Amino acid sequence: AQSVAQPEDQVNVAEGNPLTVKCTYSVSGNPYLFWYVQYPNRGLQFLLKYITGDNLVKGSYGFEAEFNKSQTSFHLKKPSALVSDSALYFCAVRDVGGTDKLIFGTGTRLQVFP
Amino acid sequence: EAQVTQNPRYLITVTGKKLTVTCSQNMNHEYMSWYRQDPGLGLRQIYYSMNVEVTDKGDVPEGYKVSRKEKRNFPLILESPSPNQTSLYFCASSLWGRGSTEAFFGQGTRLTVV
Repeated sequence: AQSVAQPEDQVNVAEGNPLTVKCTYSVSGNPYLFWYVQYPNRGLQFLLKYITGDNLVKGSYGFEAEFNKSQTSFHLKKPSALVSDSALYFCAVRDVGGTDKLIFGTGTRLQVFP
Repeated sequence: EAQVTQNPRYLITVTGKKLTVTCSQNMNHEYMSWYRQDPGLGLRQIYYSMNVEVTDKGDVPEGYKVSRKEKRNFPLILESPSPNQTSLYFCASSLWGRGSTEAFFGQGTRLTVV
């Protein structure tokens, strides 16, 4: 069965420092991977995706993610965190060839301190 | 503007009183689904629909019903709500069979069953 894991419930980082939110996956075949962000009282917003090609994917709001096939990881990164980046982040994999649903991790709360 | 619209945003109801949460999308997407979000569990799919009149169970369908009479609408029905259905609900839409495309999410409906 396909799955994703987000090993950290919360990540704390100081404003201006680099941030990493971790995600590992388990799929059969090539993965279609996504990152979504949920701000308070808002829906999920798409950040970026990996389908194929370059292992470093750039997305919205200055975020990027690094796909690593050997480590089955898809970590979200940003060179310089902002207080406004504080939110709940979800990694997801698409159930391609199955129900087409998104399979989500449990989420990581990012707290950026001034 | 491309969007998924859910109503209501907040709902408090009593056990056993039937309710419907509406979802509408304006992107002509074939695929629509409902998820529930619970702390520590991430988002789990309740039901999905691949097109008009085609629906199927997701991972946690018990206690829910859906219908897809029009392409743009996908209401979620709780015929006899129970307290364990207290949760944050999201409707999502995307193209069907295009695993590389992202899903669009509504703003969420926070349901409390007392």
